[in-house]
Amino acid sequence: RKEVEQDPGPFNVPEGATVAFNCTYSNSASQSFFWYRQDCRKEPKLLMSVYSSGNEDGRFTAQLNRASQYISLLIRDSKLSDSATYLCVVNMEGYQKVTFGTGTKLQVIP
Amino acid sequence: NAGVTQTPKFQVLKTGQSMTLQCAQDMNHEYMSWYRQDPGMGLRLIHYSVGAGITDQGEVPNGYNVSRSTTEDFPLRLLSAAPSQTSVYFCASSLSGPLYNEQFFGPGTRLTVL
Repeated sequence: RKEVEQDPGPFNVPEGATVAFNCTYSNSASQSFFWYRQDCRKEPKLLMSVYSSGNEDGRFTAQLNRASQYISLLIRDSKLSDSATYLCVVNMEGYQKVTFGTGTKLQVIP
Repeated sequence: NAGVTQTPKFQVLKTGQSMTLQCAQDMNHEYMSWYRQDPGMGLRLIHYSVGAGITDQGEVPNGYNVSRSTTEDFPLRLLSAAPSQTSVYFCASSLSGPLYNEQFFGPGTRLTVL
């Protein structure tokens, strides 16, 4: 089993739709969780951290489910500019390393 | 601030050649790291550094060396390039480690080894 697992997609959704991605992780002791966004042939950039209580930033909502060991990202009212690959990041061991998932590709269609 | 810069942007090497990928940051970050990104594999950690003079191995360190003589610079050396090292390489930095801090990435170096 991969340590951090994501559905690669692609998720093809129309503009205005709501879409959700999940990311499962294998280490129950993991402490920190992030979502990064990566545009085609560009570097990853932080989208949002994921807090235990869940957090929201505009149209984006991130949640953590420790019992089932997954994090989720919900995007409401999808825009064409949301088209990208979304990377799940989890610390799997120690304090100096994090593990990236392989990413979920989102394509928002006009 | 330039953030994290990487040179070169593209490089083609022949098997057995050596080269150094440059990485620099101007944010006074203590933590710096190198990742490689391959299709279907995600970003994998090669080496990282928690401060000047301190480096450690990541998930895939074989065939690569690093040094950290200054806070700003963290070069990655390929000792004897192999086709398996064809990849996109990203350098990243964060204030004090990736556990709770955002990592800032450079634009990447696309390396092809023939």
